[in-house]
Amino acid sequence: ETGVTQTPRHLVMGMTNKKSLKCEQHLGHNAMYWYKQSAKKPLELMFVYSLEERVENNSVPSRFSPECPNSSHLFLHLHTLQPEDSALYLCASSQDPTSGSIGEQFFGPGTRLTVL
Amino acid sequence: AQTVTQSQPEMSVQEAETVTLSCTYDTSESDYYLFWYKQPPSRQMILVIRQEAYKQQNATENRFSVNFQKAAKSFSLKISDSQLGDAAMYFCAYRSGWGGSEKLVFGKGTKLTVNP
Repeated sequence: ETGVTQTPRHLVMGMTNKKSLKCEQHLGHNAMYWYKQSAKKPLELMFVYSLEERVENNSVPSRFSPECPNSSHLFLHLHTLQPEDSALYLCASSQDPTSGSIGEQFFGPGTRLTVL
Repeated sequence: AQTVTQSQPEMSVQEAETVTLSCTYDTSESDYYLFWYKQPPSRQMILVIRQEAYKQQNATENRFSVNFQKAAKSFSLKISDSQLGDAAMYFCAYRSGWGGSEKLVFGKGTKLTVNP
């Protein structure tokens, strides 16, 4: 595997289900991100992890719970979601800009989530 | 807070022709980075080109080039010799140059159609 991978690619869940999205980066980066992409809206940054510590949480509801066990893996745990949470969830990674990198982000293919 | 505006929701171009996508941004910072990302129908977001604000020279990557006007806060993308594979959503993005800031601010995107 190369780049940034995400599983599953598609997910349909009921409002009472619990599921998790997985992201893995194979680029040796030390920062990872979750974005939400809804129709007709700009990408919304949800969470940022740098060196495995959460550095940003953009007022995301608690029904979304991120986990970053190491610098290569990022999870988004979902529970009691609402239909309006249906969207494409994108994961990205980058090298910490303080290390001299410009910090451009590399994205995964996304998980298309539908909440019934 | 920084904002990024893409004023063209949709654009179309004939194959082999040239098209320019517009992007303007608002910031009070002098040090920052700008990016153009491409998201084909397959959904993988791909970095097309990047520009450091401190560089006066416009970035170029093969058929893709930018017109960076710092005073006007404008960052347009020119695609020369358009190909069918260029059809995608194009997103302009801004990142602060402040050390440790990983956050990307995205525009709403421009959908580019390439006509054969």
